[in-house]
Amino acid sequence: DADVTQTPRNRITKTGKRIMLECSQTKGHDRMYWYRQDPGLGLRLIYYSFDVKDINKGEISDGYSVSRQAQAKFSLSLESAIPNQTALYFCAAGLPSTDTQYFGPGTRLTVL
Amino acid sequence: RKEVEQDPGPFNVPEGATVAFNCTYSNSASQSFFWYRQDCRKEPKLLMSVYSSGNEDGRFTAQLNRASQYISLLIRDSKLSDSATYLCVVHVRGSQGNLIFGKGTKLSVKP
Repeated sequence: DADVTQTPRNRITKTGKRIMLECSQTKGHDRMYWYRQDPGLGLRLIYYSFDVKDINKGEISDGYSVSRQAQAKFSLSLESAIPNQTALYFCAAGLPSTDTQYFGPGTRLTVL
Repeated sequence: RKEVEQDPGPFNVPEGATVAFNCTYSNSASQSFFWYRQDCRKEPKLLMSVYSSGNEDGRFTAQLNRASQYISLLIRDSKLSDSATYLCVVHVRGSQGNLIFGKGTKLSVKP
């Protein structure tokens, strides 16, 4: 497994606040991803990165930004949180050779 | 048509039962296939990859039918601990390593 960790695990914030979710992985995987999961909608890709200099938008990037500070760290920011960003957020890391991804434990975000 | 479709369930089965899930995918360029398991409020975890020749891991058997573009997962001798949501996942060639997730099929194994 990729040993992917996420902080915080739970966060409640207010509309308009800036919030950052952090993700770290210890296995040296090049690829990292951010997803959100909503009931009935499944997992949707927000952003992905194949290395420190490569950042790509996913299916639902509006309202989000990311930073790949190092191979092991990939953070997700909500510049001005809104209630419909309330969701479960997962970070993942993976290898191109196998196409598999390993997920962190998730961050449950509530925007009031 | 959605890229990866699954019956959401729930499938309610008794312990010891055999249960099968199917999944269909729309993109013929799909290249790699997986089943992930997700427990309630937890992260998805890779259960098994799915190979063209079919593969088995203990009580779990996965099969791929490229001609019909569907994937199946068979669970034999169901255990209470098998209760979870099973996600069908597809990697499409040219999608830069991105995986397409189905919404999942919920399984509940009862005593």
